[in-house]
Order: sequence, then structure tokens, then C-alpha cells
Amino acid sequence: SQQGEEDPQALSIQEGENATMNCSYKTSINNLQWYRQNSGRGLVHLILIRSNEREKHSGRLRVTLDTSKKSSSLLITASRAADTASYFCASDTGRRALTFGSGTRLQVQP
Amino acid sequence: NAGVTQTPKFQVLKTGQSMTLQCAQDMNHEYMSWYRQDPGMGLRLIHYSVGAGITDQGEVPNGYNVSRSTTEDFPLRLLSAAPSQTSVYFCASGEFEAFFGQGTRLTVV
Repeated sequence: SQQGEEDPQALSIQEGENATMNCSYKTSINNLQWYRQNSGRGLVHLILIRSNEREKHSGRLRVTLDTSKKSSSLLITASRAADTASYFCASDTGRRALTFGSGTRLQVQP
Repeated sequence: NAGVTQTPKFQVLKTGQSMTLQCAQDMNHEYMSWYRQDPGMGLRLIHYSVGAGITDQGEVPNGYNVSRSTTEDFPLRLLSAAPSQTSVYFCASGEFEAFFGQGTRLTVV
């Protein structure tokens, strides 16, 4: 079973718009991470947010974490065509293994 | 900076054949892992290792073996391939920020 589930499964926006993806998880976590995967490539780490943090920024990325709701969101501001990819959340429950969600496919139209 | 190197990139096997997927990292990470990615299911953990000589099972270990004789290498072995093992396989290195290889697309016919 998937620890994390992303929502929506697919998202299509215009360049310059913001993209928001959500992730829900089932059990307590030490941290939650977000990864990007371009078509046919490996995953690339974007950002990590610890369980005692509520918000984190990295460039055009903003991640929030609500441990009471067991959810996280990834906001990409001022999107670009190059942001077209699949985005995955991954939860670290402290069991020495990341558990990935099924991903959100983002399409940014130029 | 090679990072994580996986070989081969593509492989076609017949049912019952065996093969080893190679994974090497040059970042001196103790933690390495193998995932499979199937359409619509995200990544599922097969096996992981927290250091040379130490391995453990993930979510979907059946049909796969691993060993970790050195810090750098973490091969994944399929002893008797089955069509259900058709997937894309990713090796990753690092625990709090995982670095992924480019993947091996395996087809079992």
C-alpha cells in the first residue's frame, strides 16, 4: 500500500501560473521529501521538510507540512515549460526506507 | 561527478532467465536502495542496505536478491525472471537526500 498519495494525479497549467500539488500520508513521519522526475529519467531531490517544520522555501518552491492532517503541499510559483515533469512526495517514517506516492504529472503549456 | 551509475539501461529477458542489475555510487553513502516503478504506482522499495554487509527487505522483495560487499556497489539479482517483474528499476544512494540512477527498463517475455 502507498504511504503517500498525491493529488491531483495530473495538472495542466499555462506558463507563469502557479502549480499546487498535495500529498497525504498515513503514519507518523520524521521528514517528508519531494522529488521531480522528467520523462524517462531518474528522480531528482527537490526539498526536504522535517516533521517539526511547517513551511520551507527553495527558490520558486514552497512546501508546507501539516502533521495533524498528515498532509503536505508543494507550490511551484511562476511555472515554466521546463517544470513539466512528474512530482512525487516521499515520507521517511524512520524505518530506514522512503515510501513514495504515486505522483502528480504536471504539464506546463508555453 | 558520476553520482549513481546503473547498468544496463535496457534489458529483455525470457521467463526463467536470471540477471544482475548493477548499481555503483561514488558519494561514499552508507545507505543504498532499489526501487521498481510501475505505471500509476509510484516507486516501491525492493531492498535496501545501510552499509557493507547489511541488507534488508523493502515492500516488494520477493523474486529479488541483493548483497553489499562494498560501500560503492549494490547489485540486484533476479534469479528466475517472471513477466510480473517487467518494470523500470531505480537504484538510489543516500538516505536524507536520495540520489537516483537513470534507471533500467526491464522487459520479461
